[in-house]
Amino acid sequence: EIVLTQSPGTLSLSPGERATLSCRASHSVSSSNLAWYQQKAGQAPRLIIYGASSRATGIPERFSGSGSGTDFTLTISRLEPEDFVVYYCQQYGSSPSITFGQGTRLEIK
Amino acid sequence: QVQFVQSGAELKRPGASVKVSCKASGNNFNNFALHWVRQAPGQGLEWMGWISAGNNYTKYSQKFQGRVSITRDTSASRAYLKLHSLRYEDTAIYYCARGTYSSAWYTWGQGTLVTVSS
Repeated sequence: EIVLTQSPGTLSLSPGERATLSCRASHSVSSSNLAWYQQKAGQAPRLIIYGASSRATGIPERFSGSGSGTDFTLTISRLEPEDFVVYYCQQYGSSPSITFGQGTRLEIK
Repeated sequence: QVQFVQSGAELKRPGASVKVSCKASGNNFNNFALHWVRQAPGQGLEWMGWISAGNNYTKYSQKFQGRVSITRDTSASRAYLKLHSLRYEDTAIYYCARGTYSSAWYTWGQGTLVTVSS
């Protein structure tokens, strides 16, 4: 099973700053089957990036994804107040199972 | 646009079973592949299993193999997650989400809280 490790666990930044979130896989993720989700308190996760670098419908341009193989990054270019929530990476399509990272919490500094 | 509405919160005793439903709006429910994921309080997301579109092939996480089943009732536009032999650590919010095994998931249900307590 592919284990995803996200870092840092918590990231403290100020609105307007740039955020860089990392997701490292224990084995190569094929065909860039890597997604990022945003989860606000009390809500279901929301897809923001799929295929490692494609923005989901309705996601602002300040969100971007990059990477391949075992190293992936979610970048938020200029943080807005509503961005300070939790982010998960996910790999899909591999056997024996789909897996998630443990999450990165973005908090206001 | 497809939406999923899940059944209400459940309180179960250890050793019991729970069945959570996920109802889809719109047509062509049989064309939807669905996943179930859970999230324990204050914790991350954990994939449990998946049912394919069409032939209803299922695949489960090895962690839950033998204790979980995912089914579909096309006439009712509902998918179901059944979890047996409940333990305290099964207390979590259970989500359904639409997607094939090799795609990201755009559409999620609102979640169902299952509490296991004596």
